[in-house]
Amino acid sequence: GQQVMQIPQYQHVQEGEDFTTYCNSSTTLSNIQWYKQRPGGHPVFLIQLVKSGEVKKQKRLTFQFGEAKKNSSLHITATQTTDVGTYFCAGPLNDYKLSFGAGTTVTVRA
Amino acid sequence: EAGVTQFPSHSVIEKGQTVTLRCDPISGHDNLYWYRRVMGKEIKFLLHFVKESKQDESGMPNNRFLAERTGGTYSTLKVQPAELEDSGVYFCASSQDWRNSPLHFGNGTRLTVT
Repeated sequence: GQQVMQIPQYQHVQEGEDFTTYCNSSTTLSNIQWYKQRPGGHPVFLIQLVKSGEVKKQKRLTFQFGEAKKNSSLHITATQTTDVGTYFCAGPLNDYKLSFGAGTTVTVRA
Repeated sequence: EAGVTQFPSHSVIEKGQTVTLRCDPISGHDNLYWYRRVMGKEIKFLLHFVKESKQDESGMPNNRFLAERTGGTYSTLKVQPAELEDSGVYFCASSQDWRNSPLHFGNGTRLTVT
């Protein structure tokens, strides 16, 4: 079945630097969703991408959906301590079931 | 609007014991999901309710797991008897729309089987 893979698993970032985390699917996705889980918290929906090549921005976060709709990326500029957490991408297995990646856990050095 | 609530937040039990987890979805959300995350792994789908009906339970590990959603409101997930590999964080999520609607997660229940 479809699997969603995320790299890297861990990202240690100096405060103020940029980084990118990647999400890859073995099959074409109708859409992709991103969630963020803060330490001790629960996954919270960030954004959904639907169109091929779509790019969406949320302040310092830039989300992109690949042209083939099989990969996605999340780029964070000028990382802050508030960006700490685990970022998950998720692709639909069908209309209602999401397949989540293992997440990228971000830590920030002040 | 109240979010998805789960109880208990933590549970530590011995192998062979029984544990029941509870989830109250957002009011009006017909779709209710159970997911599980083992440390460092993906958030894995367990099952999906639409109202009181099990739509898909293909992710349930085995017959030691039993989920119910009587009346289409809250849901319970019972593990009996618990095994060591059942340890992890059990998340409940709900959504209102049918197709690819974003999930609203609860805070999860951290289950530790010793």
